[in-house]
Amino acid sequence: GAVVSQHPSRVICKSGTSVKIECRSLDFQATTMFWYRQFPKQSLMLMATSNEGSKATYEQGVEKDKFLINHASLTLSTLTVTSAHPEDSSFYICSADSGQGIEPQHFGDGTRLSIL
Amino acid sequence: QKEVEQDPGPLSVPEGAIVSLNCTYSNSAFQYFMWYRQYSRKGPELLMYTYSSGNKEDGRFTAQVDKSSKYISLFIRDSQPSDSATYLCAVNTNAGKSTFGDGTTLTVKP
Repeated sequence: GAVVSQHPSRVICKSGTSVKIECRSLDFQATTMFWYRQFPKQSLMLMATSNEGSKATYEQGVEKDKFLINHASLTLSTLTVTSAHPEDSSFYICSADSGQGIEPQHFGDGTRLSIL
Repeated sequence: QKEVEQDPGPLSVPEGAIVSLNCTYSNSAFQYFMWYRQYSRKGPELLMYTYSSGNKEDGRFTAQVDKSSKYISLFIRDSQPSDSATYLCAVNTNAGKSTFGDGTTLTVKP
Protein backbone atom coordinates (compact mmCIF):
# COMPACT_ATOMS: atom_id res chain seq x y z
CA GLY A 1 0.00 0.00 0.00
CA ALA A 2 0.91 3.66 -0.15
CA VAL A 3 3.74 4.64 2.13
CA VAL A 4 4.51 8.04 3.56
CA SER A 5 7.79 8.55 5.36
CA GLN A 6 8.29 11.36 7.87
CA HIS A 7 11.57 12.44 9.44
CA PRO A 8 12.74 12.99 12.04
CA SER A 9 10.52 11.05 14.41
CA ARG A 10 11.70 12.94 17.46
CA VAL A 11 13.30 16.34 17.95
CA ILE A 12 14.40 17.98 21.17
CA CYS A 13 15.93 21.42 20.85
CA LYS A 14 16.40 24.75 22.53
CA SER A 15 14.02 27.67 22.28
CA GLY A 16 14.78 29.88 19.28
CA THR A 17 15.93 27.02 17.07
CA SER A 18 14.34 26.40 13.68
CA VAL A 19 13.32 22.83 13.00
CA LYS A 20 12.69 21.23 9.61
CA ILE A 21 10.45 18.19 9.21
CA GLU A 22 10.38 16.19 5.97
CA CYS A 23 7.48 14.26 4.51
CA ARG A 24 8.05 11.93 1.57
CA SER A 25 5.71 9.78 -0.46
CA LEU A 26 7.71 6.64 -1.21
CA ASP A 27 5.72 4.81 -3.85
CA PHE A 28 3.40 7.37 -5.38
CA GLN A 29 3.42 10.97 -6.50
CA ALA A 30 1.67 13.22 -4.02
CA THR A 31 0.05 16.19 -5.67
CA THR A 32 -1.22 17.32 -2.28
CA MET A 33 0.26 17.00 1.17
CA PHE A 34 -1.32 17.98 4.44
CA TRP A 35 0.29 19.04 7.69
CA TYR A 36 -1.45 18.40 11.00
CA ARG A 37 -0.73 19.15 14.61
CA GLN A 38 -1.99 16.93 17.41
CA PHE A 39 -1.97 17.61 21.12
CA PRO A 40 -2.19 14.74 23.63
CA LYS A 41 -5.56 12.97 23.66
CA GLN A 42 -6.89 15.34 20.98
CA SER A 43 -7.71 14.87 17.35
CA LEU A 44 -5.82 16.04 14.32
CA MET A 45 -5.78 19.76 13.67
CA LEU A 46 -5.14 20.65 10.04
CA MET A 47 -2.50 23.36 9.77
CA ALA A 48 -2.04 23.70 6.03
CA THR A 49 -2.47 22.11 2.64
CA SER A 50 0.42 22.16 0.22
CA ASN A 51 0.27 21.52 -3.50
CA GLU A 52 3.37 20.79 -5.51
CA GLY A 53 4.80 23.91 -7.07
CA SER A 54 2.47 26.40 -5.43
CA LYS A 55 2.08 28.21 -2.13
CA ALA A 56 0.55 26.38 0.78
CA THR A 57 -2.95 27.16 1.98
CA TYR A 58 -2.98 27.77 5.71
CA GLU A 59 -5.93 27.19 8.03
CA GLN A 60 -7.28 30.07 10.01
CA GLY A 61 -5.13 30.93 13.00
CA VAL A 62 -1.98 29.23 11.69
CA GLU A 63 0.91 31.67 11.23
CA LYS A 64 2.41 31.20 7.79
CA ASP A 65 5.62 32.96 8.77
CA LYS A 66 5.99 30.67 11.76
CA PHE A 67 5.29 27.43 9.93
CA LEU A 68 6.99 27.50 6.55
CA ILE A 69 5.88 24.86 4.10
CA ASN A 70 7.66 23.92 0.90
CA HIS A 71 6.40 21.34 -1.59
CA ALA A 72 9.07 21.46 -4.24
CA SER A 73 8.53 18.04 -5.76
CA LEU A 74 5.80 15.45 -6.11
CA THR A 75 7.38 13.30 -3.43
CA LEU A 76 8.62 15.77 -0.83
CA SER A 77 7.10 18.44 1.38
CA THR A 78 8.83 20.12 4.28
CA LEU A 79 7.54 21.97 7.33
CA THR A 80 9.92 24.35 9.05
CA VAL A 81 9.00 25.60 12.50
CA THR A 82 10.90 28.86 12.70
CA SER A 83 12.28 30.23 15.98
CA ALA A 84 10.48 27.52 17.90
CA HIS A 85 9.24 28.15 21.44
CA PRO A 86 7.97 25.76 24.12
CA GLU A 87 4.37 26.34 23.06
CA ASP A 88 5.25 24.89 19.65
CA SER A 89 5.96 21.55 21.29
CA SER A 90 3.54 19.06 19.80
CA PHE A 91 3.12 16.04 17.56
CA TYR A 92 3.28 17.03 13.89
CA ILE A 93 1.94 14.63 11.27
CA CYS A 94 1.94 14.84 7.50
CA SER A 95 -0.25 13.03 5.03
CA ALA A 96 -0.22 12.69 1.29
CA ASP A 97 -2.86 12.31 -1.38
CA SER A 98 -2.17 11.12 -4.89
CA GLY A 99 -5.06 13.18 -6.20
CA GLN A 100 -6.27 10.23 -8.22
CA GLY A 101 -9.76 8.92 -7.80
CA ILE A 102 -10.92 8.34 -4.29
CA GLU A 103 -7.67 7.14 -2.79
CA PRO A 104 -7.72 8.56 0.74
CA GLN A 105 -4.90 10.22 2.58
CA HIS A 106 -2.01 8.18 3.93
CA PHE A 107 -0.15 9.42 6.97
CA GLY A 108 3.43 9.53 8.08
CA ASP A 109 4.38 8.33 11.54
CA GLY A 110 4.63 11.83 12.94
CA THR A 111 7.33 13.96 14.52
CA ARG A 112 7.34 14.61 18.23
CA LEU A 113 8.79 18.08 18.76
CA SER A 114 9.90 19.19 22.19
CA ILE A 115 11.21 22.72 22.67
CA LEU A 116 13.09 23.31 25.91
CA GLN B 1 -21.89 22.23 15.17
CA LYS B 2 -18.97 20.08 14.07
CA GLU B 3 -19.15 18.52 10.63
CA VAL B 4 -18.28 15.14 12.11
CA GLU B 5 -19.28 14.01 15.59
CA GLN B 6 -17.69 10.89 16.98
CA ASP B 7 -18.78 8.99 20.08
CA PRO B 8 -16.12 10.15 22.54
CA GLY B 9 -15.46 7.05 24.59
CA PRO B 10 -13.18 5.88 26.02
CA LEU B 11 -14.26 2.30 25.54
CA SER B 12 -12.96 -0.62 27.56
CA VAL B 13 -13.97 -4.14 26.58
CA PRO B 14 -12.84 -7.68 27.37
CA GLU B 15 -10.93 -9.64 24.77
CA GLY B 16 -13.27 -11.33 22.29
CA ALA B 17 -16.00 -8.70 22.58
CA ILE B 18 -17.67 -7.05 19.61
CA VAL B 19 -16.87 -3.36 19.46
CA SER B 20 -19.02 -0.70 17.83
CA LEU B 21 -17.53 2.71 17.01
CA ASN B 22 -19.81 5.40 15.65
CA CYS B 23 -19.82 8.77 13.94
CA THR B 24 -22.43 11.10 12.52
CA TYR B 25 -21.90 13.80 9.93
CA SER B 26 -23.93 16.80 8.97
CA ASN B 27 -23.19 17.48 5.31
CA SER B 28 -24.82 15.24 2.72
CA ALA B 29 -22.10 16.29 0.27
CA PHE B 30 -19.69 13.93 2.00
CA GLN B 31 -19.34 10.92 -0.24
CA TYR B 32 -16.28 9.10 1.05
CA PHE B 33 -15.91 7.57 4.46
CA MET B 34 -12.76 6.34 6.15
CA TRP B 35 -11.69 4.76 9.40
CA TYR B 36 -8.17 5.21 10.73
CA ARG B 37 -6.45 3.53 13.66
CA GLN B 38 -3.84 5.45 15.61
CA TYR B 39 -1.52 3.85 18.11
CA SER B 40 0.10 6.04 20.72
CA ARG B 41 2.88 8.21 19.31
CA LYS B 42 2.23 7.06 15.75
CA GLY B 43 0.50 8.50 12.72
CA PRO B 44 -3.02 7.33 11.78
CA GLU B 45 -3.17 4.13 9.74
CA LEU B 46 -5.92 3.71 7.18
CA LEU B 47 -8.12 0.74 8.10
CA MET B 48 -10.99 0.94 5.67
CA TYR B 49 -12.65 3.30 3.26
CA THR B 50 -15.88 3.18 1.34
CA TYR B 51 -18.04 5.44 -0.75
CA SER B 52 -21.39 3.73 -0.71
CA SER B 53 -24.09 2.96 1.78
CA GLY B 54 -24.00 -0.53 3.17
CA ASN B 55 -21.39 -2.76 4.71
CA LYS B 56 -17.79 -3.38 3.76
CA GLU B 57 -15.97 -6.20 5.47
CA ASP B 58 -12.25 -6.81 5.89
CA GLY B 59 -11.37 -9.65 8.22
CA ARG B 60 -12.60 -8.81 11.70
CA PHE B 61 -13.52 -5.26 10.68
CA THR B 62 -16.80 -4.13 9.14
CA ALA B 63 -17.46 -0.56 8.06
CA GLN B 64 -21.09 0.43 7.79
CA VAL B 65 -22.46 3.56 6.14
CA ASP B 66 -26.02 4.83 6.20
CA LYS B 67 -26.16 7.93 4.04
CA SER B 68 -29.85 8.50 4.69
CA SER B 69 -29.19 9.05 8.39
CA LYS B 70 -25.62 10.31 7.92
CA TYR B 71 -24.30 7.66 10.24
CA ILE B 72 -21.11 5.62 9.95
CA SER B 73 -19.90 2.77 12.11
CA LEU B 74 -16.95 0.47 12.50
CA PHE B 75 -17.47 -2.95 14.03
CA ILE B 76 -14.62 -5.06 15.35
CA ARG B 77 -15.35 -8.74 15.93
CA ASP B 78 -13.38 -10.92 18.31
CA SER B 79 -11.48 -7.90 19.61
CA GLN B 80 -7.86 -8.42 20.59
CA PRO B 81 -5.57 -6.50 22.95
CA SER B 82 -3.64 -5.41 19.85
CA ASP B 83 -6.77 -3.54 18.73
CA SER B 84 -6.27 -1.13 21.63
CA ALA B 85 -5.80 2.24 19.96
CA THR B 86 -7.61 5.43 19.06
CA TYR B 87 -9.98 5.11 16.12
CA LEU B 88 -10.73 8.11 13.92
CA CYS B 89 -13.56 8.39 11.45
CA ALA B 90 -13.12 10.71 8.48
CA VAL B 91 -15.31 11.99 5.69
CA ASN B 92 -14.55 13.64 2.39
CA THR B 93 -16.35 15.19 -0.56
CA ASN B 94 -13.66 14.05 -3.00
CA ALA B 95 -10.06 12.88 -2.92
CA GLY B 96 -8.85 15.96 -1.07
CA LYS B 97 -8.93 17.33 2.45
CA SER B 98 -10.69 15.01 4.89
CA THR B 99 -12.65 16.06 7.96
CA PHE B 100 -11.86 13.96 11.01
CA GLY B 101 -13.79 13.03 14.10
CA ASP B 102 -12.17 13.60 17.49
CA GLY B 103 -11.41 9.91 17.93
CA THR B 104 -12.50 7.14 20.27
CA THR B 105 -9.91 5.43 22.44
CA LEU B 106 -10.44 1.69 22.74
CA THR B 107 -8.84 -0.60 25.30
CA VAL B 108 -9.24 -4.35 24.92
CA LYS B 109 -8.38 -6.13 28.14
CA PRO B 110 -6.93 -9.66 28.03
